[in-house]
Amino acid sequence: EDQVTQSPEALRLQEGESSSLNCSYTVSGLRGLFWYRQDPGKGPEFLFTLYSAGEEKEKERLKATLTKKESFLHITAPKPEDSATYLCAVGIQGAQKLVFGQGTRLTINP
Amino acid sequence: GAVVSQHPSWVICKSGTSVKIECRSLDFQATTMFWYRQFPKQSLMLMATSNEGSKATYEQGVEKDKFLINHASLTLSTLTVTSAHPEDSSFYICSARKGQGAIYGIGGYTFGSGTRLTVV
Repeated sequence: EDQVTQSPEALRLQEGESSSLNCSYTVSGLRGLFWYRQDPGKGPEFLFTLYSAGEEKEKERLKATLTKKESFLHITAPKPEDSATYLCAVGIQGAQKLVFGQGTRLTINP
Repeated sequence: GAVVSQHPSWVICKSGTSVKIECRSLDFQATTMFWYRQFPKQSLMLMATSNEGSKATYEQGVEKDKFLINHASLTLSTLTVTSAHPEDSSFYICSARKGQGAIYGIGGYTFGSGTRLTVV
């Protein structure tokens, strides 16, 4: 069964304290791995798509990496405005839908 | 590019009434749209997948007669919650996908801003 697991469930950091969020996946055939940011009461906002192991993408303080089993979202020197829930999702060969993980609620304290 | 508009952003209705939520792709044609439900502090739960001009495919456990989905054009899908009850109160989110062969990425899967439904 296709499965996506995110850890930790919640993470509190001080401003400037770098860390990483994990997304482990078990799928029959990976077409792409997505990272989204979701603020309370809003829809998910697209961050990155990764297609193959070894690929990396960066945007401001965020960097996403991908291996054959997992993806990491690295947050460097975070700011309070980075506080949000970060969702990982995978696209699967032969399917239209995305399979989502449970998300990581990130809180950055000033 | 790739903007999805969802309306209303919030709605309160009386138990037993029906509510319609609209999802529009503003600057692209969406051959496939998805409807999700999200409970507090939980991830997105896929309810159904709809392809333009055909019947929606519902996920297991989702009542077809209660959650009516229409995808009559390449830019509009609607979700109607029929005979709503308090347990239907939730956050509903739509997503639209460009073309069958579109690459994944910005606009590959774009989400609406969500609709908070409260049934009293």
